[in-house]
Amino acid sequence: AQSVTQLDSQVPVFEEAPVELRCNYSSSVSVYLFWYVQYPNQGLQLLLKYLSGSTLVKGINGFEAEFNKSQTSFHLRKPSVHISDTAEYFCAVSDRDYGGSQGNLIFGKGTKLSVKP
Amino acid sequence: NAGVTQTPKFQVLKTGQSMTLQCAQDMNHNSMYWYRQDPGMGLRLIYYSASEGTTDKGEVPNGYNVSRLNKREFSLRLESAAPSQTSVYFCASSKWDRRNTEAFFGQGTRLTVV
Repeated sequence: AQSVTQLDSQVPVFEEAPVELRCNYSSSVSVYLFWYVQYPNQGLQLLLKYLSGSTLVKGINGFEAEFNKSQTSFHLRKPSVHISDTAEYFCAVSDRDYGGSQGNLIFGKGTKLSVKP
Repeated sequence: NAGVTQTPKFQVLKTGQSMTLQCAQDMNHNSMYWYRQDPGMGLRLIYYSASEGTTDKGEVPNGYNVSRLNKREFSLRLESAAPSQTSVYFCASSKWDRRNTEAFFGQGTRLTVV
């Protein structure tokens, strides 16, 4: 069965500092990987996704993530954060096995990023 | 485009009452999902529907039923609400083909069971 572990529940950081939000996954098959962001009292918005190809994926708002198959990780990074990046970030995994659990999208527990001035 | 629309946005129920949460998408997506979000628990999958006419249990299906009414609509029913079902519920949909599996989310339904 798939699972996603976000290693940090909260990450405080100062404005303009770099940040890394960690995500590890487990799956018995090849996967698609996603990062979503949730601003207060809103739904989730896709930041970036890895489907295949280059392991370094760039997303919106200056975020990027690197897929590491050997370490089963998909960490999210931003070189310089802004106050407006304060939000909760969710890593998610979905099977690439269409014959099995098609459409099953599993989320981690989330990391709250707090950017301080 | 409206995207994914959930109704209602807020609801208060008494223990034992029933209700149906409605979800509709206008993106011609095959797959639809219901999640609940609780503090510190992330999003947990309740049920999903990979295509019209099919539904499958997710991680936390107990106490819920779903109906995939047509390709656009996927409803979630609480037959006898319990305080443990107090949560924020999100509906999502995705195209689910080999090139694009992004899920789009509704704005959520905040449900309180007293």
